Amino acid sequence: DTEVTQTPKHLVMGMTNKKSLKCEQHMGHRAMYWYKQKAKKPPELMFVYSYEKLSINESVPSRFSPECPNSSLLNLHLHALQPEDSALYLCASSQDLFGLLRDNSPLHFGNGTRLTVT
Amino acid sequence: AQSVAQPEDQVNVAEGNPLTVKCTYSVSGNPYLFWYVQYPNRGLQFLLKYITGDNLVKGSYGFEAEFNKSQTSFHLKKPSALVSDSALYFCAVRDRRLTGGGNKLTFGTGTQLKVEL
Repeated sequence: DTEVTQTPKHLVMGMTNKKSLKCEQHMGHRAMYWYKQKAKKPPELMFVYSYEKLSINESVPSRFSPECPNSSLLNLHLHALQPEDSALYLCASSQDLFGLLRDNSPLHFGNGTRLTVT
Repeated sequence: AQSVAQPEDQVNVAEGNPLTVKCTYSVSGNPYLFWYVQYPNRGLQFLLKYITGDNLVKGSYGFEAEFNKSQTSFHLKKPSALVSDSALYFCAVRDRRLTGGGNKLTFGTGTQLKVEL
């Protein structure tokens, strides 16, 4: 069982809907990540939070809005998505104990949310 | 810019035979290298990493990988494959000199491993 929990497992939404993806970890990790993965492709980094602050935004469209309410939770708010945004959205975390440049701890991934935009 | 190449989209091997999944990398400085495995409808699972030290790294589920600096390779190996090893395998690299924060990995395109009876 994964130590990073993502909800919901599946989500179908229309292009005018607003929805949120949720991620939770209780490993004491201070870095959390959102990835997007298309079928049979590698994950693409979207956002990185370190100590609850947004550290990296990989030029993601504003229809994706991340939020880190506390050190255990990470949300991804979705609004006005396009069909091409349909993908598996993966959350991950890592230790980040000594600062980001020294964090070579492995990423721990959740099982993802399968998003379909209709 | 750092990059990772996995030259094989798919590798087929018979159960009980040794397996190799290839990975080559390109970074400006010395690399941090990782292997992850992904089963259907699951997230990625960490298998092993090379940071420094011994070139042969042992990881989970009997997998190991050999770091070869001269060939810029980090091939994943297992002496005896199992049907349950069938999955999608990703090699990833992080440049030690990378700035900007985050455990920012560059993933390869993935190799589908199929182990048959």
